[in-house]
Amino acid sequence: GAGVSQSPSNKVTEKGKDVELRCDPISGHTALYWYRQSLGQGLEFLIYFQGNSAPDKSGLPSDRFSAERTGGSVSTLTIQRTQQEDSAVYLCASSLGGVRGEQPQHFGDGTRLSIL
Amino acid sequence: QQQVKQSPQSLIVQKGGIPIINCAYENTAFDYFPWYQQFPGKGPALLIAIRPDVSEKKEGRFTISFNKSAKQFSLHIMDSQPGDSATYFCAASRGDYKLSFGAGTTVTVRA
Repeated sequence: GAGVSQSPSNKVTEKGKDVELRCDPISGHTALYWYRQSLGQGLEFLIYFQGNSAPDKSGLPSDRFSAERTGGSVSTLTIQRTQQEDSAVYLCASSLGGVRGEQPQHFGDGTRLSIL
Repeated sequence: QQQVKQSPQSLIVQKGGIPIINCAYENTAFDYFPWYQQFPGKGPALLIAIRPDVSEKKEGRFTISFNKSAKQFSLHIMDSQPGDSATYFCAASRGDYKLSFGAGTTVTVRA
């Protein structure tokens, strides 16, 4: 497909387990973002990857959260020792990036994470 | 610290009405202001965006008004239709960088 793809679409897990969320950005997009959307809330920035530069991790809420981007394409967001407050929709977005100007971010449909 | 404040939280209009959503920001370094539309179970989709050197931008039935001195911008949906019922988010960023989102406005257009 031509859009941002995220998997799984839904994930239910027990408190304390680790989870991995995957994002396939649009081909050719060098910038990739992760956001978190809690119920009835706006989107909260988590982490930003741009090409081969060091990622901006300033939005990660704790050291239980980490993300990597392999080969400048697919990204994985990992949450260790999940807590109930981690329950949210995790959204990935990508953009052409690297050029100052209007570079719209295109979002996937997210992974709905539920911690029991 | 919410960098973009959005109001109202929700609104209901009749078909053909003009819902208006307002946003205000603090960071004067912001230079890109997009609006996103989100339907249940879907990711946000870019609707329209504006830069601060323009006071108004129209795309179809959607219009953004921008007031740089007041650090405010708004979305108007002209001739609203039931299919426009969705949650709308304003956002702001400095260039191609992380977006700061408003809390969202749920718009309901009654037939």
